[in-house]
Amino acid sequence: GQNIDQPTEMTATEGAIVQINCTYQTSGFNGLFWYQQHAGEAPTFLSYNVLDGLEEKGRFSSFLSRSKGYSYLLLKELQMKDSASYLCAPSSGTYKYIFGTGTRLKVLA
Amino acid sequence: EAQVTQNPRYLITVTGKKLTVTCSQNMNHEYMSWYRQDPGLGLRQIYYSMNVEVTDKGDVPEGYKVSRKEKRNFPLILESPSPNQTSLYFCASSLSIVWDSSNTQYFGPGTRLTVL
Repeated sequence: GQNIDQPTEMTATEGAIVQINCTYQTSGFNGLFWYQQHAGEAPTFLSYNVLDGLEEKGRFSSFLSRSKGYSYLLLKELQMKDSASYLCAPSSGTYKYIFGTGTRLKVLA
Repeated sequence: EAQVTQNPRYLITVTGKKLTVTCSQNMNHEYMSWYRQDPGLGLRQIYYSMNVEVTDKGDVPEGYKVSRKEKRNFPLILESPSPNQTSLYFCASSLSIVWDSSNTQYFGPGTRLTVL
C-alpha cells in the first residue's frame, strides 16, 4: 500500500526559514515531486528529487532520503506570497500519481 | 501559450443529469489525468491516460468515465452525478510517462462542480 504523511498546517514569519516534512511508504519508488498550490488555484511544479541529497533552486530547496522514505521542502527568506499549500507526491512505481494531503503554510507579517 | 484548459470552470447541476467536463492541452503531451480535490483528502486521481486510446483507473474511478480519442483531449464524463461527486476537479498533463523530471504535471485551472 501507499502512505504519505505531511503536517496539516504550519505558520512562519516573513523572512524566516521553514521546513515542510514528508514521509512516505510506496510499493515502488522512482522519485518525489513537490507542488505548490495557492488557495483556489491549480498546483504548480516546484521540484523533483530522484537521488538522495539536497537540490537547491533559489529560495526553495528539496531534500530526499530514499532509504528513510523521507523528504523535506525548505523555504528560505519567506515572503507573504509563499502562503500556500505544499503537496508531496512520491512516485508509486506505476503510472498512477499519489499526492499527500498537503501542508498549508501561513506566512505572517 | 502552453496550457491545459478545462470547461466549464463552474457548474451546478442536479442528481442524475449527465455531464461532461472537457480538458484540452496544446503541448503534445502523452500523459493526461483527472483529479478531484476535497478538503482533508487532498488530490486524488480518478483516471489517467498514457496515450491515445489507453486509459486506466486511478484511486477513485467509481461514477466516472473518460475517453482519449485524440492526443490533446481527455474529457471526464459523469453519467449520473450524485451529491458525493461535488468537488473541485483538475485535469493535468505531462510530456511523457517516463519517471523523470519530464513527468512534471501541468494542471488546468480547475472545475468546481456542485451536484444538488
